[in-house]
Amino acid sequence: QVQLVQSGAEVKKPGDSVKVSCKASGYTFTSYAIQWVRQAPGQGPEWMGWINADTGNTKYSQKFQGRVSITRDTSASTTYMELSSLRAEDTAVYYCARSNSGFDYWGQGTLVTVSS
Amino acid sequence: QSALTQPRSVSGSPGQSVTISCTGTRSDVGRYNYVSWYQQHPGKAPKLMIYDVSKRPSGVPDRFSGSKSGNTASLTISGLQAEDEAAYYCCSFAGSYTYVFGPGTKVTVL
Repeated sequence: QVQLVQSGAEVKKPGDSVKVSCKASGYTFTSYAIQWVRQAPGQGPEWMGWINADTGNTKYSQKFQGRVSITRDTSASTTYMELSSLRAEDTAVYYCARSNSGFDYWGQGTLVTVSS
Repeated sequence: QSALTQPRSVSGSPGQSVTISCTGTRSDVGRYNYVSWYQQHPGKAPKLMIYDVSKRPSGVPDRFSGSKSGNTASLTISGLQAEDEAAYYCCSFAGSYTYVFGPGTKVTVL
């Protein structure tokens, strides 16, 4: 069965960077893109960007351009999302999701807390 | 990209129907037939309920249906059940390989 398993919760200080991983299983990793979405407490989801797992091509939301980097390791069937220059407003649950006519499978989410 | 617009909340009694609207622009909802809907229960990841405006993934009950007219997409839940109480989010392709979400609608089963 398709699964996306994300890394554990993180606590960071303002100005730090965070790198969240998303390991895929149950399907051919390079056949689908992976999206990254975050959700601040009590808010709706916010699209951050995506990566073509086959080519490594990426597209980022203008809001995060310059601060976010999405990469993948095909040998490990894993995608990574790194967000830099963290601020308190970046406190959120970060999700990866498989892209297939909608975001059809989601990871369990990774809580990133930014606090001094 | 600007977020899509959804009502904050809708409610209905068991067995009734409720419809949630999702208003975008001619650059996203109005231009592309790539609107999807997600159900989210508290503390859980979102779940895909509708994709490509009106298609249901395998396993999603047929009481969930989607449609679109102009810049507004809609999700209708017919025969409302207690387990349908959740937040619902719309999402649209917005061109140039980008996406935009709505703020969500809380569905309450009375």
